[in-house]
Amino acid sequence: AQRVTQPEKLLSVFKGAPVELKCNYSYSGSPELFWYVQYSRQRLQLLLRHISRESIKGFTADLNKGETSFHLKKPFAQEEDSAMYYCALSGYGNKLVFGAGTILRVKS
Amino acid sequence: DTGVSQNPRHKITKRGQNVTFRCDPISEHNRLYWYRQTLGQGPEFLTYFQNEAQLEKSRLLSDRFSAERPKGSFSTLEIQRTEQGDSAMYLCASRPGRHSGNTIYFGEGSWLTVV
Repeated sequence: AQRVTQPEKLLSVFKGAPVELKCNYSYSGSPELFWYVQYSRQRLQLLLRHISRESIKGFTADLNKGETSFHLKKPFAQEEDSAMYYCALSGYGNKLVFGAGTILRVKS
Repeated sequence: DTGVSQNPRHKITKRGQNVTFRCDPISEHNRLYWYRQTLGQGPEFLTYFQNEAQLEKSRLLSDRFSAERPKGSFSTLEIQRTEQGDSAMYLCASRPGRHSGNTIYFGEGSWLTVV
């Protein structure tokens, strides 16, 4: 079965603090992992994907197959990072399987 | 805006009525997806089209739900005899063919409230 778990419903940090949004997955093959973000009143949009190994808006995520994790990290949070973040997996078939999401709140 | 377009954006209906949502994907995207999202949950996969062919349906898609993509362009999602449990956001998404990577682009969603 394909499953994505985001254990935190809400993560609240101060501006300038490091951020780590946790994501664990369950999948028997070689998955593709993604982070999607939804800012207030905007549509869901792709933030980054593991195959690109890129940094977007200062965020990075490393796929750890041993721990089946794909945590999202940023060294210094900014207020504009406040949003809902979804981890997603693409495995069997052509669909994305999403976690329940984590609200990131960056306080000034 | 050349993104994925959905309408209506909001629909309030009485229990037992039928509703239909429309999705216009990004031009030339041959893959189209429908998802459902309820409060506090991530989007849940409902069904997927490649061109006009419906290739996969989730068990979440009961007999009251039907989706079509008649000419491989826009798609409709119809819910018959709506129930209060159908209240949710219905998201449409599209992506190009397999050689264009796996980025899926989402619409803004259609909110359904069944009263």
